[in-house]
Amino acid sequence: DIQMTQSPPSLSASLGDRVAITCRASQAIATFLNWYQFKPGRAPKLLIYAASNLHGGVPSRFRGSGSGTEFTLTITNLQPDDFATYYCQQTYNPPFTFAPGTTSALTFGPGTKVDFK
Amino acid sequence: QVQLQESGPGLVKPSETLSLTCSVSGDSVNPYYWTWVRQPPGKGLEWIGYIYYSGTASPNPSLKSRVTMSVDRYNHQVSLTLRSVTAADTGVYFCARGDRVNFSHFYMDVWGKGTTVTVSS
Repeated sequence: DIQMTQSPPSLSASLGDRVAITCRASQAIATFLNWYQFKPGRAPKLLIYAASNLHGGVPSRFRGSGSGTEFTLTITNLQPDDFATYYCQQTYNPPFTFAPGTTSALTFGPGTKVDFK
Repeated sequence: QVQLQESGPGLVKPSETLSLTCSVSGDSVNPYYWTWVRQPPGKGLEWIGYIYYSGTASPNPSLKSRVTMSVDRYNHQVSLTLRSVTAADTGVYFCARGDRVNFSHFYMDVWGKGTTVTVSS
């Protein structure tokens, strides 16, 4: 399996701050990397897909970058709604062959919790 | 607006079978992937697997021997069955809709709020 790490595990920030979360893959995954926002009791949200593409309806203060093994989620002008836990997910594996018996392992990073300073 | 709602028993005894349903409203199950992800208490996210709307499933190899996924296109539901559960299967289970960009990059763009499952006697 491809292993994902994130740093920092948590960070404290203030409204209006710029924060950056790093995600690293144990092997090169090109741009097969998504970012999600999780809040307790709420449906998670897709923020960024294919490393740098903003999902529809997501504010432009969210930006994704990177390729290969290192990726970054940057949030500028932090807003109250942005205090949450963020996860990266690699989608390099599987190849979606639809063959019977195929397994998949689209692994997630351990998450980064952004809270209020 | 597409919405997903997970439902299940809440409490399951060790060694028994867990069955969860994800009800899809506001859209068809075609032509998407339907995924399951879980989160043990205080831990990160674990990929369980996906099932394509046509019925082809692809579970996590670590769960393959215990997992079955199915799609009911007529009732707009997706189901997950996990056999021989242990305390390690306790957590919040999410279903999510998956799609691909240009038959390549995969993402999950609609999620349910999750349902909590506790494995305990």
